[in-house]
Amino acid sequence: GNSVTQMEGPVTLSEEAFLTINCTYTATGYPSLFWYVQYPGEGLQLLLKATKADDKGSNKGFEATYRKETTSFHLEKGSVQVSDSAVYFCALDPGGGADGLTFGKGTHLIIQP
Amino acid sequence: SQTIHQWPATLVQPVGSPLSLECTVEGTSNPNLYWYRQAAGRGLQLLFYSVGIGQISSEVPQNLSASRPQDRQFILSSKKLLLSDSGFYLCARRAGGGTDTQYFGPGTRLTVL
Repeated sequence: GNSVTQMEGPVTLSEEAFLTINCTYTATGYPSLFWYVQYPGEGLQLLLKATKADDKGSNKGFEATYRKETTSFHLEKGSVQVSDSAVYFCALDPGGGADGLTFGKGTHLIIQP
Repeated sequence: SQTIHQWPATLVQPVGSPLSLECTVEGTSNPNLYWYRQAAGRGLQLLFYSVGIGQISSEVPQNLSASRPQDRQFILSSKKLLLSDSGFYLCARRAGGGTDTQYFGPGTRLTVL
């Protein structure tokens, strides 16, 4: 079956540090890949996505590249801010229309001023 | 806008009581709708999805059921709540098509005592 593995954290960084959150996946076929962000007490917001190999998704300074050869979709940001503190979820959509997403367990990111 | 509403925002219920959580969407016709549960330490789990009125697919056997009485309404129910039903319940929609993104509502925090 499909699965997503990501570091759970918490990950604690200082403001302006470089961020990497690793995400690897197992899936048949050609899934789409997503990063969602969840702020305390809120639902999930789409951060970025990539639908095919070598695509790069980007938004708000965050980037992730769909690497089929390593089955990875690592999230990066060059300089984090306190406002980036949240839980980040990597997810895959196997395709086919109606399927739900398969999520990783989430990575709690804490940015200290 | 394609807004998702969830009601109520928070709920505290005794064990053995019934449950009804409501999700309504605006701005799109015939969406695919989803219920996920986020439980402590377990990440996000797909519970049910629906591709149309009266059409429900269950992903995991459990104490819950879902119904879709109208195109833009998705309801999660239980006849008798268990302690293990506590969690954060998220409704999501997909506008349609094989690669369209899922968007999430604000969630309902359920505590069963």
